[in-house]
Formats: sequence, C-alpha cells, structure tokens
Amino acid sequence: NAGVIQTPRHKVTGKGQEATLWCEPISGHSAVFWYRQTIVQGLEFLTYFRNQAPIDDSGMPKERFSAQMPNQSHSTLKIQSTQPQDSAVYLCASRGYEQYFGPGTRLTVL
Amino acid sequence: GDSVTQTEGQVTVSESKSLIINCTYSATSIAYPNLFWYVRYPGEGLQLLLKVITAGQKGSSRGFEATYNKETTSFHLQKASVQESDSAVYYCALTRASSSFSKLVFGQGTSLSVVP
Repeated sequence: NAGVIQTPRHKVTGKGQEATLWCEPISGHSAVFWYRQTIVQGLEFLTYFRNQAPIDDSGMPKERFSAQMPNQSHSTLKIQSTQPQDSAVYLCASRGYEQYFGPGTRLTVL
Repeated sequence: GDSVTQTEGQVTVSESKSLIINCTYSATSIAYPNLFWYVRYPGEGLQLLLKVITAGQKGSSRGFEATYNKETTSFHLQKASVQESDSAVYYCALTRASSSFSKLVFGQGTSLSVVP
C-alpha cells in the first residue's frame, strides 16, 4: 500500500500561469478530500468527492479554482491564473474508514 | 460555523516531563462532533493519532490520551512522560458525527519540541 500519492511534490509557477495538482487515492477508498495549508489560515478544507461525484465544494475559492475526479484512481485540483496568495501546501486525503493524507504539494507562485 | 481552537502555537517540554496541549471546539451545526488528534512528524505527512466519537470517552495511542468533554467542549491531549521522538506538530480536528463522510475542521496546530 503506497498510501495517498500527490504529484508534483513541489511546483513553482509565475503569476498568471496555470497549476494542476494530482492526487492518487488509496485503492478502494471511495472519497477524496482536498485541503490547503498556509501559515496564516492554517489547514482549510477545499472540496471533496465521493464515488467520483462532487459532494461539497464549500471551501473552494469561487474563481480560478476547480477540481475533478474523472475516475477512481485520481483527482486533480486546477488553479488558473495563479496569484501569490495561492502559495500554500495543498493536501489530498482519501477516506476508507479514516482520512489518510498524502505528503502534499507545495505550490509557490512568484 | 464549526471551529477548533488550540491556544498554544509552540510548546517546549523537557524529556520525561508531562504534557498537555489544549483544544476546545465550537460545533454550531452539530451536537456531538467526532473529535481527532492528528500529528505531523518532521519530514512526514499528516497522520491520525487518535479519535473519539462518543462524548465522555477517552482515546489513546502511543502513550497519548484525550478525553471528549462535552460540558467544557474540550479535547485536550495529554502524555505523562514525553520523549524526543514526540517532537512534532499536533492538530486537533472535528467532523460532523451525523455523516460518515465529512470534512475535517482543524485547529491551528501546536508545535511540540521535546528537549533533553
């Protein structure tokens, strides 16, 4: 069991560029959650999918952020026109009985 | 909305001494949330330390304990004797008990340093 896999581990983008973050959940887990961690805001919920369907996106910024789960084996979080305030560690978690977290993707927007 | 408060951002404790990390919660939309402690060791990912879903119950793991107190809305983390290997960041969190799939609401985290 490789655990939750997130790629890339580090990403640097210029202001205005697009960033796509990938998450591969643990096989057999039916739910995928996305969180964001910053020093100021701490760990914040963004969105989650269950059985590939979007269930709750109440934490997603209304503009520029989108998430998908096209199949059971991966989910993506896309940020269009990245801004410096998007710099954060983005965490993915998959849920069987508990939420298991990936190592995160550190996004730096210059 | 629901929230979790950890009052200490950083704690330094001498090895073999006792530890308490404070956590209080506010669950405006749910009467009895599920309560968790997560831990991030240096260089590692966030992992579950312990969980309690029933008010009045105590959870324990790796020598740590936390009791779900609904009267004081608290879930403090305690350990009788800490070791250097306990140095990590500890996060208190809650989820809605009414749903088996629910987002985690985290506190700000407490960074624990255990010194010789």
